[in-house]
Amino acid sequence: EVLQVESGGDLVQPGGSLRLSCITSGFTFSDHYMDWVRQAPGKGLDWVGRIANRGKSYTTEYAASARGRFSISRDDSANSLYLQMNSLKSEDTAVYFCTRGHSHSDIYAFDIWGQGTMVTVSS
Amino acid sequence: DIVLTQSPDTLSLSPGETATLSCRASQSVSGNLLAWYQQKPGQAPRLLIWGASSRATGIPDRFIGSGSGTDFILIISRLEPEDFAVYYCQQYGDSPRTFGQGTKVEVK
Repeated sequence: EVLQVESGGDLVQPGGSLRLSCITSGFTFSDHYMDWVRQAPGKGLDWVGRIANRGKSYTTEYAASARGRFSISRDDSANSLYLQMNSLKSEDTAVYFCTRGHSHSDIYAFDIWGQGTMVTVSS
Repeated sequence: DIVLTQSPDTLSLSPGETATLSCRASQSVSGNLLAWYQQKPGQAPRLLIWGASSRATGIPDRFIGSGSGTDFILIISRLEPEDFAVYYCQQYGDSPRTFGQGTKVEVK
């Protein structure tokens, strides 16, 4: 069974930092691009960024709202994806989902989603 | 950025009826690389359609995606109770990946 489980969500003050993790199983993690997508309470889906597979040199790409503050990394040996979030703002409050690209190329929809982890930025 | 506008915002229908959801892009979606997702309350989204018209694994043939360029449609025929949810379109041909605002299909 394919599984993705996020963790690390918490209540953090504005300006603070947080590191989210996503542990996967049931598929060859190293083959896939992986993304983070977030959803603010009661709102729609918002792409955060992605990391390529080893074949594409683990290249990262970010939404404008995340660029310079967030960093995506992965550990293929641990089948894990990470999101380091710095300089957090209230508008970063959301459920954060890790997602898998449905193909092994750089063009893909998100076919596997974790259950999400809640990040609340508030004083 | 490509802006995706879904219509209507809410669709009120009865089980057994057909839902027609629209997704319009602000510019042509590269390679018709458009996906549809279903999300139920408290759950993660689920991929329904990719490449505008290809059903994801395990998705029943009641879900039909079509369209090209800037206009895309998701048709859900013979609505089942489990189909009442929010549906999002998403383009993945250009960066940044963008989503529509969602259409809620509710029980009339």
